[in-house]
Amino acid sequence: QKEVEQDPGPLSVPEGAIVSLNCTYSNSAFQYFMWYRQYSRKGPELLMYTYSSGNKEDGRFTAQVDKSSKYISLFIRDSQPSDSATYLCAMSADGSARQLTFGSGTQLTVLP
Amino acid sequence: DAGITQSPRHKVTETGTPVTLRCHQTENHRYMYWYRQDPGHGLRLIHYSYGVKDTDKGEVSDGYSVSRSKTEDFLLTLESATSSQTSVYFCAIKGGLASNEQFFGPGTRLTVL
Repeated sequence: QKEVEQDPGPLSVPEGAIVSLNCTYSNSAFQYFMWYRQYSRKGPELLMYTYSSGNKEDGRFTAQVDKSSKYISLFIRDSQPSDSATYLCAMSADGSARQLTFGSGTQLTVLP
Repeated sequence: DAGITQSPRHKVTETGTPVTLRCHQTENHRYMYWYRQDPGHGLRLIHYSYGVKDTDKGEVSDGYSVSRSKTEDFLLTLESATSSQTSVYFCAIKGGLASNEQFFGPGTRLTVL
């Protein structure tokens, strides 16, 4: 069993939809949770960073962590075609980012 | 792009040949990483370095070796390439002491025939 599980999709939604992306994990030591966005044929880039449980909002993006369920989510409101990308969750036990464990990524397409 | 370049960007090679991929950074960061990315597996750590001549294995290190003789360069070598090593390879650096982010290079697409 992988430490981090992520539905690979692909996920296709109409423009303006609310998108929900999710990861589950098994290692209870993980305390730092990240979402990376990767455009086609590019390297991943950090989108959201959260510590422990709770919500964090940044514009149209909300990251949610439920440590009791070992479940994290990324919500995208008013999705745009420019949001079309692969979204990878990542986790670490410490906040240094020295060691990250990644999910397999969910491919999202937002249709105009 | 955090000053990370990778070379070559694309390579096609044959089974059994040696291959070296180069990662170069311009910002003097201590930690550097090599990942491979494959469908269904996401990013998997191959090797990482925490300083000049200081390296350690990651999750999928078999068949790969690395070297770091200068802060700015981290080399990944496939001593004898196999078809299972066909993948996209990403180099990453960890930001400075106060940073909690890894920054990724543009990737190298390697095909082993």
